[in-house]
Amino acid sequence: EPEVTQTPSHQVTQMGQEVILRCVPISNHLYFYWYRQILGQKVEFLVSFYNNEISEKSEIFDDQFSVERPDGSNFTLKIRSTKLEDSAMYFCASTNEIRSGNTIYFGEGSWLTVV
Amino acid sequence: AQSVAQPEDQVNVAEGNPLTVKCTYSVSGNPYLFWYVQYPNRGLQFLLKYITGDNLVKGSYGFEAEFNKSQTSFHLKKPSALVSDSALYFCAVSRGGATNKLIFGTGTLLAVQP
Repeated sequence: EPEVTQTPSHQVTQMGQEVILRCVPISNHLYFYWYRQILGQKVEFLVSFYNNEISEKSEIFDDQFSVERPDGSNFTLKIRSTKLEDSAMYFCASTNEIRSGNTIYFGEGSWLTVV
Repeated sequence: AQSVAQPEDQVNVAEGNPLTVKCTYSVSGNPYLFWYVQYPNRGLQFLLKYITGDNLVKGSYGFEAEFNKSQTSFHLKKPSALVSDSALYFCAVSRGGATNKLIFGTGTLLAVQP
């Protein structure tokens, strides 16, 4: 069964460093998302992406964050200068079309620890 | 604004007994409701969803959920719990639209005792 894959599974970084989290969405999917889950809290929407541009972003997704689809398969989340509060599990997700109620499929997540 | 409430942080049930994990929602317009499960150190796995039609929705691993419009609820159920069902369960709502983004509840930890 096709799945969303994410790398790395876990990354430890120093505060102020740049981090890039990588995702390979399901191959025929066109809509991509990043969500995050701070330890013990709920899963929060960060950003959605379609046709090489951001279609919606949350208040969390400030200027420190950026997303990119550098080639035909990868979808990346960059955090320019990490803060302690960026420590969280980051989930990539994808779906094949924007249709009300369409299922969104998630990857296994990337644990980011900022020290 | 859309929101989802999962009133129970944890649900404990004995193996073989029926289980219910509660979810209520608030959304303007038609709701699209989802349940996802998260096993330890794993990602979110889709279980089932309600879009329209029959209020009782069946999903993976023997789970089902009942949509109740008057009570704005979408409780997850299973007739006979297994120890392997122990995990974190998230209810989510989407209003469709340009991005179809999901809004998640806080999650309910299901602990099934042998």
